[in-house]
Amino acid sequence: DVKVTQSSRYLVKRTGEKVFLECVQDMDHENMFWYRQDPGLGLRLIYFSYDVKMKEKGDIPEGYSVSREKKERFSLILESASTNQTSMYLCASSLTPLRTDRGTDTQYFGPGTRLTVL
Amino acid sequence: GESVGLHLPTLSVQEGDNSIINCAYSNSASDYFIWYKQESGKGPQFIIDIRSNMDKRQGQRVTVLLNKTVKHLSLQIAATQPGDSAVYFCAETPDGGSNYKLTFGKGTLLTVNP
Repeated sequence: DVKVTQSSRYLVKRTGEKVFLECVQDMDHENMFWYRQDPGLGLRLIYFSYDVKMKEKGDIPEGYSVSREKKERFSLILESASTNQTSMYLCASSLTPLRTDRGTDTQYFGPGTRLTVL
Repeated sequence: GESVGLHLPTLSVQEGDNSIINCAYSNSASDYFIWYKQESGKGPQFIIDIRSNMDKRQGQRVTVLLNKTVKHLSLQIAATQPGDSAVYFCAETPDGGSNYKLTFGKGTLLTVNP
């Protein structure tokens, strides 16, 4: 079974703090994703990575950055946390290398990190 | 822009009944669809997927139907159990050529009454 783990289930931070959210997958997946989930807005893609040290912006990258130094690990960084970044953050991974003929692959999600910024 | 939506935000069924959760999509180029289940406080869990070259796909107690003519997707759960209570949402690829990005619907809350 695919396993995607996230470093924290719950996190409380103060405005202006630098926040690191870590995600690890154990299935040698090529692609990793960070989403945030808010009531009424559904899942929104922040950033994704299709290879080590490669990243692309999603739909709402402002205020966030990412790091992928190893294939299995994808970090989301909030440089200076703000109250509007209070949300559920979900990491996901998928197998298929991008831009191939194999078509889209299922994304498997971690348990989520509920971040509160005070 | 393209969007994935749901007809009903909530669905309440009796234990043992069959459940049908619907999803409409607007992009006729979408070629891959997934249904996820999300229990309270947990991440989305993959249930079943279907590609656009199929009309129907069955899993364990679940069936996904795809009607490309009317751009409609449904998830059928047979003999619904209390453990099926969760938010269900569909996801699609908005662009058949980009095999990474999924667009997610807002979700339907399924409540199973004992």
